[in-house]
Amino acid sequence: QLQLVESGGGVVQPGRSLRLSCAASGFTFSTYAMNWVRQAPGKGLEWVALISSDGKNQYFADSVRGRFIISRDNSKSTLYLQMNSLRDEDTAVYYCTRGVGFGDRTCDYWGQGTLVTVSS
Amino acid sequence: DIQMTQSPSSLPASVGDRVTITCRASQSIRSYLNWYQQKPGKAPKLLIYTASSLITGVPSRFSGSGSGTDFTLTISSLQPEDFATYYCQQNYQTPITFGQGTRLDIK
Repeated sequence: QLQLVESGGGVVQPGRSLRLSCAASGFTFSTYAMNWVRQAPGKGLEWVALISSDGKNQYFADSVRGRFIISRDNSKSTLYLQMNSLRDEDTAVYYCTRGVGFGDRTCDYWGQGTLVTVSS
Repeated sequence: DIQMTQSPSSLPASVGDRVTITCRASQSIRSYLNWYQQKPGKAPKLLIYTASSLITGVPSRFSGSGSGTDFTLTISSLQPEDFATYYCQQNYQTPITFGQGTRLDIK
C-alpha cells in the first residue's frame, strides 16, 4: 500500500537550517513528481515546492525561493527539503505529496506531516 | 499568481443538509481545479480532481462542477463524517495555490 512518511522536523532557531525527508513506498517513486506543502498552525495550505520525476526541474513558492532546496534520491525512494535561513513564518506542518495530473500539480497522496517550529 | 477565493469561510450545517461551497479563481484555470477534505490533525485527502472527477472510493454524495473561474463543491446529504475543512486548489500553473478553506461545522 502506498505510503509517504516524513521525518526530520523539530525545533530550530531562526536563521538555522533543517532537512526534511520523505520516504516513499508502495509505488514506483522514480516515475512521479513530488511536492512539499505546508500548513502553519491553525492556517490553510500553502504549496512550497515541486520536483519532477527525474529531479531535473524544480519549482518554488516565492516565500521560500533562494532559501529552500528540493531534491530526491530515486535509488532510495526518498524526497528531501533542505530549509536554510529559517524564519518564524516557516513554522508549519510540512507534508510531502505525490504529484499527478496536469503539470504534476495535483496532490493525490499525502504523508502524515512533520512539524517544524522556528523559535528562539 | 492565481488567487483562489472560497466562500463561505465557515458553514454551519446539519446531518442530511445539502451544502454547496464555492471557489473562484482570479483568472481562468479551465477545469484544473481540485477539492480536498481535511479533518483535524490529519493530512488533507483528495476528493475531486479536474473540477468534477470523483476519486475512487469517495461517496457519490460529493460532486463538483464549474470551469473557467467559478467552481462548486456540493454534498447532497451531509453525513457525520463530512464535517471537516474543505480546500480548493488550482493546478493550472505554478505556483500551485489553494483557497483559504471552508470549515463545515455542526449546526
